[in-house]
Parts: sequence; structure tokens; C-alpha cells
Amino acid sequence: NAGVTQTPKFQVLKTGQSMTLQCAQDMNHEYMSWYRQDPGMGLRLIHYSVGAGITDQGEVPNGYNVSRSTTEDFPLRLLSAAPSQTSVYFCASSYAGFNTEAFFGQGTRLTVV
Amino acid sequence: AQSVSQHNHHVILSEAASLELGCNYSYGGTVNLFWYVQYPGQHLQLLLKYFSGDPLVKGIKGFEAEFIKSKFSFNLRKPSVQWSDTAEYFCAVMKFSGGYNKLIFGAGTRLAVHP
Repeated sequence: NAGVTQTPKFQVLKTGQSMTLQCAQDMNHEYMSWYRQDPGMGLRLIHYSVGAGITDQGEVPNGYNVSRSTTEDFPLRLLSAAPSQTSVYFCASSYAGFNTEAFFGQGTRLTVV
Repeated sequence: AQSVSQHNHHVILSEAASLELGCNYSYGGTVNLFWYVQYPGQHLQLLLKYFSGDPLVKGIKGFEAEFIKSKFSFNLRKPSVQWSDTAEYFCAVMKFSGGYNKLIFGAGTRLAVHP
């Protein structure tokens, strides 16, 4: 079972470049989300989606865009990368109801120079 | 502000010592509670979860946690740690709000176990 798949695993960007982090899940989960992990700050929610065509902002959405055209995919776009976006990014998915658990991807380590 | 608080940022133990990591949250109403572990260089793995019922939940690798509703706490315990338990541990609360179930994490506790 693939679960939640993130690509790429590592990426180095120059300031101002754009890129898309990919996330796909094969569990037919309605709910998908993106987190960033920074030392001493845990995981902070960037954006989330409860289904195709529905997205909303999390705790730290600035500098990131998302869209959800299919149930399976939830890409995260950085339009103009900044050094402050150097972080480890995790995608997660779960069923939309309560009493569910989230499944996480392997993470993408992004460095912006 | 609503939050998830983990009391210790860094814990250092010797093998066979007992472990207790504190977690408190400030959300009212019904919540789901989780502990995740992240081994060095790896992704998050679920240790255990609490949805309802018996407030003492057992997870993988000998970990357990106790939900105390009156204290808004969900502390993680292990009677005897091993060197392989060296990792970062995250407490998380799932709160159903506005039609969505949001998962909010604490800042994490980095555990180092020395042989």
C-alpha cells in the first residue's frame, strides 16, 4: 500500500524561484493537509482541504497556494521562495469524520538559499 | 489562545529509566488525542490514540498514555526506555471545528536515551 506519497524528498531553491510540492494518497481520504516542521515549533498547519474543490487556510498560509482538483492529489505551491520557507514539509490525509487518524507522507526537506 | 503544550522540550534519560512526557491542551468539548514519534530523519509515526472509552490507552513499543479530562492532559509514559526510543515525540489534538477536523500539534519533546 502506497499510503501518502510526497515528492520530491529533497529540494534546494534559490530565493524567488517557484516550485510545487506534490502529495498523493490512495486511501480515498476526503481530508488532506500540509504542515511545515521547524525546530522547537512542532508541526504547523499551512493549508487544508476537506474535499475536491474545497481548500482553506491553516495557521501559516502566507507564501503558499494550494488547490484540490481530485480526491487523490493536493499539491502545495511556493510562488516566490524565501529563505524563511526553509523547512521540512509534511502532507497528511484522513477521513473527514471524527474519530479518525491522520496518515503522513515521508516529508520534503526544502532549503531556500 | 487555544493550544497544545508539551512541558519538556528536551529530556535525557539512561536506559531502563522511566519516561513521562506531559501534554496539556486548551480546547473545550470533544477532542481526539494522539502521540506521534519521529525517529531521526524519518516521518511521523503514530504511537497511540485516544478517541473515547478507557482513558488509559496502550500503544506500540510499550508506550501508554492517560487521558485526564479534568486536567485537559494526555501524558505519555513508558516504564523502561531503550536506546532505540531516542526520537522526537509530538502530542496532537484533533478538534472538530466548522465542519473540519483540524489536527493541532505541540512543539515536540526531543528524547535522548543514553546506554
